Formats: sequence, structure tokens, C-alpha cells
Amino acid sequence: AQTVTQSQPEMSVQEAETVTLSCTYDTSENNYYLFWYKQPPSRQMILVIRQEAYKQQNATENRFSVNFQKAAKSFSLKISDSQLGDTAMYFCAFQSGGGADGLTFGKGTHLIIQP
Amino acid sequence: DSGVTQTPKHLITATGQRVTLRCSPRSGDLSVYWYQQSLDQGLQFLIQYYNGEERAKGNILERFSAQQFPDLHSELNLSSLELGDSALYFCASSVEGRGRAETQYFGPGTRLLVL
Repeated sequence: AQTVTQSQPEMSVQEAETVTLSCTYDTSENNYYLFWYKQPPSRQMILVIRQEAYKQQNATENRFSVNFQKAAKSFSLKISDSQLGDTAMYFCAFQSGGGADGLTFGKGTHLIIQP
Repeated sequence: DSGVTQTPKHLITATGQRVTLRCSPRSGDLSVYWYQQSLDQGLQFLIQYYNGEERAKGNILERFSAQQFPDLHSELNLSSLELGDSALYFCASSVEGRGRAETQYFGPGTRLLVL
């Protein structure tokens, strides 16, 4: 079974700063997908970014980018030029490549952007 | 707005009762996933349906059951409710989910409170 670990329960940074959220995972599979989801106070789960394990290139989406280290089983999220609207819970998630399974989530990191 | 709808938004009931949560996936999506988010257990995958058939099971209790109908909407049935079943229940949908892990888009959730 897969496990996902987010070691930072809470982080706080100033607006416009860059912040990196950590995630490590454990799996014996070679084909899988990794995701970061954001959950603002509204509780809606919003996809931030997705990474296919077979792709060496790190995924980027505007101010969001990942550092995917497959050998180390590490998948960190970098948020550049942080904004007040980035305040939320951030969940790292793993999914097997076959698609016949749900997401395995970490416990989340509560990110607070201070004005 | 993810395109996934869930009803009701809130549900308050008593221990021992049975409730049904409903989910309509995004147009064109064949896979539906159910998740439970609670303070104790975090975000947990319950069950997946693909085009009307059960595809994968996670940590779903025997008191819980689900189905996906020909129009692809899904229902999650929770029976003999206990206080510990109080949680936010999410439905998510994806295009495929069979042979490839597609991105899952989450509905707004149903908040269940068992008194």
C-alpha cells in the first residue's frame, strides 16, 4: 500500500514570498501519478498541479511548480510570489498508474499567507 | 466550479439512521470516486465506479454502499449511522479511470452531521 507524508502541519509566509511545501511518498510501483490539491476555507478541493512519474520534467502551472525526485520519492510544491488567496490546506496525493484506485492523500499542510 | 455537483450540501441526522448522498459527474466523465474527510482519518478513498461498475474499493465500511446509474450519476448510501460517521463526503469524477489515471475533479462535498 502507498503512503504519503507531509511533514509540515503548518507554514506561514509573507505575501510575495516564495514557499515550498514538502511531500514524500512510499510505493513499490513504477507507474504512478502525483498531485497537489488545494482546499481553501470553502472546503472545495481544487487541483493545483499534476505530475506523471514517467516524465522527468517537473510540472509547472503559472506560479506553482514542483520538484519531483523519483529516486528519493519526493514531490515538493513551490509557490512563487505568494498571494493572500493562496491561504489554504494543501494536500499531496498519489494515484496508481492503472487508474483503478483512488487517491492516497497526505495529512495536509496549512499554509497561511500574511499580508 | 469543477462541474461536479453534490446534493445535499448539508445533512443532519441521528444515530442509527440511513442517508443517501448524490453526485453528478462532469459531463463526459465515466468514473466516479467517493471520499470521506474527517478530523480523525483525514481524506480517505472509499470507492470508485466506472461506467456503472464497481472498479476499486478503499476504506469503505460494510454499512456503506454505493452505486452508479446508467445516466452516470452516483449515490452513496450510509446506514446505521454512528457519531463517527460525521464528516465531509466528497465525490470526484474523471474522464477515464480504467488503464490510466486521469485527473479527478471534486464536487463541493456533503457535510454530514450525526447527532
